Amino acid sequence: ETGVTQTPRHLVMGMTNKKSLKCEQHLGHNAMYWYKQSAKKPLELMFVYSLEERVENNSVPSRFSPECPNSSHLFLHLHTLQPEDSALYLCASSPSADSISYNEQFFGPGTRLTVL
Amino acid sequence: GDSVTQMEGPVTLSEEAFLTINCTYTATGYPSLFWYVQYPGEGLQLLLKATKADDKGSNKGFEATYRKETTSFHLEKGSVQVSDSAVYFCALSVPKTSYDKVIFGPGTSLSVIP
Repeated sequence: ETGVTQTPRHLVMGMTNKKSLKCEQHLGHNAMYWYKQSAKKPLELMFVYSLEERVENNSVPSRFSPECPNSSHLFLHLHTLQPEDSALYLCASSPSADSISYNEQFFGPGTRLTVL
Repeated sequence: GDSVTQMEGPVTLSEEAFLTINCTYTATGYPSLFWYVQYPGEGLQLLLKATKADDKGSNKGFEATYRKETTSFHLEKGSVQVSDSAVYFCALSVPKTSYDKVIFGPGTSLSVIP
């Protein structure tokens, strides 16, 4: 499979559950991102990994825990979420700085998360 | 700080109508500018980009010109189709040490009716 893939596409969880979102990119990119997209709000950058090192954490609550085991995979571990965390979670990747498209981001289809 | 402002919408047009979605930005330095599009049920995808002043980005009949003097990057299309119905995001990129941070506008929803 090519591009950026995300699993699951839909997730319903209770506030006491623990779940993980998975993102995989087959583009050879060096940077990966998690975004939160809520209705009526701008896209919110949550985390950035560059070469498997976390380089940005935008004041995200600790109930969201990212993991980047290698440059192709990115996870978002979820625990004790709140109903207001319900949103579309988008993963993206971007090429290295020596690529002509280094500042373009390639997005996955997202995981629609509902917290009950 | 760096930011992007775009018309909120929703915008509803008839097929073959002319489209303009306004976008202005605030940034230090010389950012690259982008338009991304999100079709229903999908993630965002790059529509076009411009990397320096007076550059024109174009793709699928859409165009936008990087206007440094007015700090704008308005999206235009001469004749929209039903298949253009989507949410359009204006964005700019800010160089960081090891990646480029992309700042998105709030998005403009476009509906094209037959």
